[in-house]
Amino acid sequence: VQMTQSPSYLAASPGESVSISCKASKSISNNLAWYQEKPGKANKLLIHSGSTLQSGTPSRFSGSGSGTDFTLTIRSLESEDFAVYYCQQYNEYPLTFGSGTKLEIK
Amino acid sequence: EVQLVESGGGLVQPGRSMKLSCAASGFTFSNYGMAWVRQAPTKGLEWVATISYDGSSTYYRDSVKGRFTISRDNAKSTLYLQMNSLRSEDTATYYCTRDGGYWGQGVMVTVSS
Repeated sequence: VQMTQSPSYLAASPGESVSISCKASKSISNNLAWYQEKPGKANKLLIHSGSTLQSGTPSRFSGSGSGTDFTLTIRSLESEDFAVYYCQQYNEYPLTFGSGTKLEIK
Repeated sequence: EVQLVESGGGLVQPGRSMKLSCAASGFTFSNYGMAWVRQAPTKGLEWVATISYDGSSTYYRDSVKGRFTISRDNAKSTLYLQMNSLRSEDTATYYCTRDGGYWGQGVMVTVSS
């Protein structure tokens, strides 16, 4: 399953809201996770099952979608949110990731 | 607190072997499936292999099938990745991951002469 993630780069200001898209090449039901990558830290699972927040994920993060189209939305960006985000499908092997979205401060 | 600590990386010549280890703590290791994920320099994430909680099932990406072996020792709470016939394209940071979305910090493997 190919995962097409967009945009690859996003610049925004604190307080703004952003959305990241992830499209699967075939239906993956809701078997999609979103991860956050920050330098020097272990990757962090934010959302699983397409829209379920992992324990500890701030409520300003939300996930939506099922089938082939998914979206990660971050409302009211905070400084700690500037990072790289990946989607991952775990519906079938080989597990596959999106190419990543780098979210930078404008 | 879940902790996953990888070790065993470094510089290796093409065609040689290397074995990675991942020491797990903070949870009952034998209850969880585990996986290795890698990331080549300046590239995205790539799943490598998965092993079930009891080691009875394993899955590999095509490019490593027949060369890499994932295994586990539940008594030692340790995950392994035996990598044989290494190629330059295997150069990457290798991450140990646990079902439920936990990741280690990664260990670098460089395949070069």
